[in-house]
Amino acid sequence: NAGVTQTPKFQVLKTGQSMTLQCAQDMNHNSMYWYRQDPGMGLRLIYYSASEGTTDKGEVPNGYNVSRLNKREFSLRLESAAPSQTSVYFCASSADDSWGETQYFGPGTRLLVL
Amino acid sequence: AQTVTQSQPEMSVQEAETVTLSCTYDTSENNYYLFWYKQPPSRQMILVIRQEAYKQQNATENRFSVNFQKAAKSFSLKISDSQLGDTAMYFCAFMKDSGGSNYKLTFGKGTLLTVNP
Repeated sequence: NAGVTQTPKFQVLKTGQSMTLQCAQDMNHNSMYWYRQDPGMGLRLIYYSASEGTTDKGEVPNGYNVSRLNKREFSLRLESAAPSQTSVYFCASSADDSWGETQYFGPGTRLLVL
Repeated sequence: AQTVTQSQPEMSVQEAETVTLSCTYDTSENNYYLFWYKQPPSRQMILVIRQEAYKQQNATENRFSVNFQKAAKSFSLKISDSQLGDTAMYFCAFMKDSGGSNYKLTFGKGTLLTVNP
């Protein structure tokens, strides 16, 4: 039982390049989330998926797209990377059976955009 | 919108001693959840403890306990018998009922705790 896994662990991009961050969970959770963490700040929600087939914007969605590929996988895509997207990206998942469900986080992906 | 404030950017404590991390929040909601997450140097976010706002009893998990003051909108974390492995960034987080089937976390900026030998 690996929990939440993310790939890659670290990536360097040039401005304008695109890439997809992958996330998978093996806990049979319905809800999945993407956060970004910038220095001196807490995590901020980019996008989330309440269940397979649905996605919604979070606090900072601009410049990103997401795909809920199936119940296990939730990817985050940067179509044209910008230096402002340099950050650490965390994926999380939770069961949505009841209010207040705990979110479980992956190990993060460190992204540097030059 | 909800806000979460952690007024202590950094703290340090000697091994085996007790330390308290502060967190305040602003909300007009009556029902919500509060969390403390730990982020060690590995960057993995780990749940430490959670508190339901409708429960008056403070949550405890082994050496970790909270002091939840709903009227004051305060949610502090106490770590007893501090260990070197407690060295980490600690985040306070708030979750309200968003009215749908999905529930979002709002995080504070974090407190960096260093446990000294």
